[in-house]
Amino acid sequence: GNSVTQMEGPVTLSEEAFLTINCTYTATGYPSLFWYVQYPGEGLQLLLKATKADDKGSNKGFEATYRKETTSFHLEKGSVQVSDSAVYFCALNSGYSTLTFGKGTMLLVSP
Amino acid sequence: DAGVIQSPRHEVTEMGQEVTLRCKPISGHDYLFWYRQTMMRGLELLIYFNNNVPIDDSGMPEDRFSAKMPNASFSTLKIQPSEPRDSAVYFCASSLNQPDGYTFGSGTRLTVV
Repeated sequence: GNSVTQMEGPVTLSEEAFLTINCTYTATGYPSLFWYVQYPGEGLQLLLKATKADDKGSNKGFEATYRKETTSFHLEKGSVQVSDSAVYFCALNSGYSTLTFGKGTMLLVSP
Repeated sequence: DAGVIQSPRHEVTEMGQEVTLRCKPISGHDYLFWYRQTMMRGLELLIYFNNNVPIDDSGMPEDRFSAKMPNASFSTLKIQPSEPRDSAVYFCASSLNQPDGYTFGSGTRLTVV
């Protein structure tokens, strides 16, 4: 079956540091890949997506590249802000209507 | 559109009581999903509907849990009787059959004491 594995958190960074959150997946076929973000007290929001190998999704300074050879979709940002503190979820869809989510990685950014 | 609306935002109840969580999806969305979020298990899909019909309820943990969608603008998730291990945040989401079109509500934080 499908599964998504994310690095455990929390990830603690100082403002303006470089961010990487690792995500690997197992899926049948050629899934679409997503990153969702959950701010405190809110539901999940779509951050970025990629639908085929070598695609790069980007939004709000965040980027992730769909790597089929390593089955990975790592999230990166060059300079994080305090306002980026949230929980980040990697997810995949392999042709059905439902998403398979990872367990989430908490990011804490200090001034 | 006001987005996906869930009520109540917080619910505290005693073990053994019936709990009903409510969700109003975005108008026009034909898929509705119920998720449960806990620290231990992360985000779990409980059940989802397409055009008001339950499609997959394999994630519903026990017979104590039931969900209905009587019309396109309303769904309920009921727990009867509730137990302390049901304490979690329950999210409703809706979409137009596009995974990136998922819109989540703000969730209901349930505490069973």
